[in-house]
Amino acid sequence: DAGVIQSPRHEVTEMGQEVTLRCKPISGHNSLFWYRQTMMRGLELLIYFNNNVPIDDSGMPEDRFSAKMPNASFSTLKIQPSEPRDSAVYFCASSSRESSNQPQHFGDGTRLSIL
Amino acid sequence: SQQGEEDPQALSIQEGENATMNCSYKTSINNLQWYRQNSGRGLVHLILIRSNEREKHSGRLRVTLDTSKKSSSLLITASRAADTASYFCATDKGAAGNKLTFGGGTRVLVKP
Repeated sequence: DAGVIQSPRHEVTEMGQEVTLRCKPISGHNSLFWYRQTMMRGLELLIYFNNNVPIDDSGMPEDRFSAKMPNASFSTLKIQPSEPRDSAVYFCASSSRESSNQPQHFGDGTRLSIL
Repeated sequence: SQQGEEDPQALSIQEGENATMNCSYKTSINNLQWYRQNSGRGLVHLILIRSNEREKHSGRLRVTLDTSKKSSSLLITASRAADTASYFCATDKGAAGNKLTFGGGTRVLVKP
């Protein structure tokens, strides 16, 4: 079975540009999570969805960040405008139920560099 | 500060030795999970232990949970070079729903 698929794997762009990260969760999973990982701050939860509905976006750093889940098989994380401090690895994860007793399945991330 | 804090931050051992790492957390939990992350890859779920469990095994992994001390440990027995990775604990803060908070991780290097 395919795991969580993220694209692109790497993105290098100049500050001020719009960046869109994409995620396809595991089929049948109804919870989706967006994380950001940096050396300084570790792994931070940005936002998560249950059944395509955003549940908690308290980790979204600024209004420059937005996330959508238009259907059960696709989600996007958008940064507009991007800044150098947004450079990080962004992970998407999915789980099968809305419960903390379920493992989360991670994609291999998008390594984002903002110049 | 993060809910889970791992200790040590880094660990270097020889192949065949055991590796032990600890996780401390601040608030009550329903479950605690351990994940592994290989360089350049996403996290992989290893094991989940519920708050009413004290010990759990999975292959060469042994996890303990002491809710009175708000701590957990992960033991990897007979380590292999392929166990080289970062290991993270994740807790749910006892709240409803499926939000997890990850610790800072322990980097484990297993030397052949």
